[in-house]
Amino acid sequence: DGGITQSPKYLFRKEGQNVTLSCEQNLNHDAMYWYRQDPGQGLRLIYYSQIVNDFQKGDIAEGYSVSREKKESFPLTVTSAQKNPTAFYLCASSTDRGKNQPQHFGDGTRLSIL
Amino acid sequence: AQSVTQPDIHITVSEGASLELRCNYSYGATPYLFWYVQSPGQGLQLLLKYFSGDTLVQGIKGFEAEFKRSQSSFNLRKPSVHWSDAAEYFCAVGISGGSYIPTFGRGTSLIVHP
Repeated sequence: DGGITQSPKYLFRKEGQNVTLSCEQNLNHDAMYWYRQDPGQGLRLIYYSQIVNDFQKGDIAEGYSVSREKKESFPLTVTSAQKNPTAFYLCASSTDRGKNQPQHFGDGTRLSIL
Repeated sequence: AQSVTQPDIHITVSEGASLELRCNYSYGATPYLFWYVQSPGQGLQLLLKYFSGDTLVQGIKGFEAEFKRSQSSFNLRKPSVHWSDAAEYFCAVGISGGSYIPTFGRGTSLIVHP
């Protein structure tokens, strides 16, 4: 079955450490997204990519970085510059470079501070 | 820029009762509208979408939504709620042009009493 796989499901970060969240899709979708979810705040867009080797900042990109070297992969790095990284992170993808197509979501990664 | 409002943070209903979750949007033209559902600790799943045509849209799990242009609304309804419907529900609005990135509401948490 096609879908989006996020790993790990739970991740712990030490002070000053960078951590990378994995997102892989086998849906052959062009567009991929990273969202941050905090209680009561809905989904906030961190980064998105509508085509390989190109990505754009979302609303809360500071302290995060991404790459899109392959169509199926869109890893997110939470850097030490992100002072409040504790949240639930969701990866999504969509067809047609995301032009108003529904998004397919992974099951998320919960990041906590040690 | 478009915006979407879900006025109710929490909704409590009894099992078997009808349900209506509200969604209002702000956008000058006809938007693309989506409803998603999120179970605890999981990603979002598309319930239904509206792009054009019939303003009453049928979705999965027995849900429907009605687009009302005059009220800038896209409310989600279900005639009889099941305990398994307890979840977080998100409305999202997309626009024609620009980055095509949809905007999500803050979500409504549905609590179902037996």
